[in-house]
Amino acid sequence: EVQLVESGGGFVQPGGSLRLSCAASGFTFSSYSMNWVRQAPGKGLEWVSYISSGSSTIYYADSVKGRFTISRDNAKNSLYLQMDSLRAEDTAVYYCARDSNPNYWGQGTLVTVSS
Amino acid sequence: EIVLTQSPGTLSLSPGERATLSCRASQSVSSSYLAWYQQKPGQAPRLLIYAASSRATGFPDRFSGSGSGTDFTLTISRLEPEDFAVYYCQYYGRSPWTFGQGTKVEIK
Repeated sequence: EVQLVESGGGFVQPGGSLRLSCAASGFTFSSYSMNWVRQAPGKGLEWVSYISSGSSTIYYADSVKGRFTISRDNAKNSLYLQMDSLRAEDTAVYYCARDSNPNYWGQGTLVTVSS
Repeated sequence: EIVLTQSPGTLSLSPGERATLSCRASQSVSSSYLAWYQQKPGQAPRLLIYAASSRATGFPDRFSGSGSGTDFTLTISRLEPEDFAVYYCQYYGRSPWTFGQGTKVEIK
């Protein structure tokens, strides 16, 4: 069974940093591209970042470019999102998702940016 | 970037009624990569339909998806109480993934 479990969310002040992790199981992680998607409270879904299976191709939403860094460790079946210079508008539930047809999503981890 | 526009924003219906939700793309897209998600309060989005018309595991056949090109539809043939939720369409054929703004199906 495909499983994606996010962790690392929490409360952080504006300007701070957090590192999210996504542990994958039930499939050959190294064969799939991955994405991060977020959802601010009461809002819709927003794609955040993409990384190819071998990390050679990476994309970011304009809203996070220069502040967030996506990475992966195929040996550890893990996906990461390093979030720096956090802003209040980054407050959201962050989901990792497998780039496949169909997609698979985790249950999300909440990031709250507030003073 | 492909923009997905969902309509209506809110659909007020009674249990037993038929719900028809629309998702329009700003340019023609491959139906192989058009999905619908259901989201209830406090829960993660749950995949409902993928490849425009394939129903995901666990959803009954009162849910159906259709469409091609720029126009896609999610139909719920007879609303059950558990179907009242927010529904999002998504295009995942290329990066960036894009999402519609959502349609809330509420009890009338």
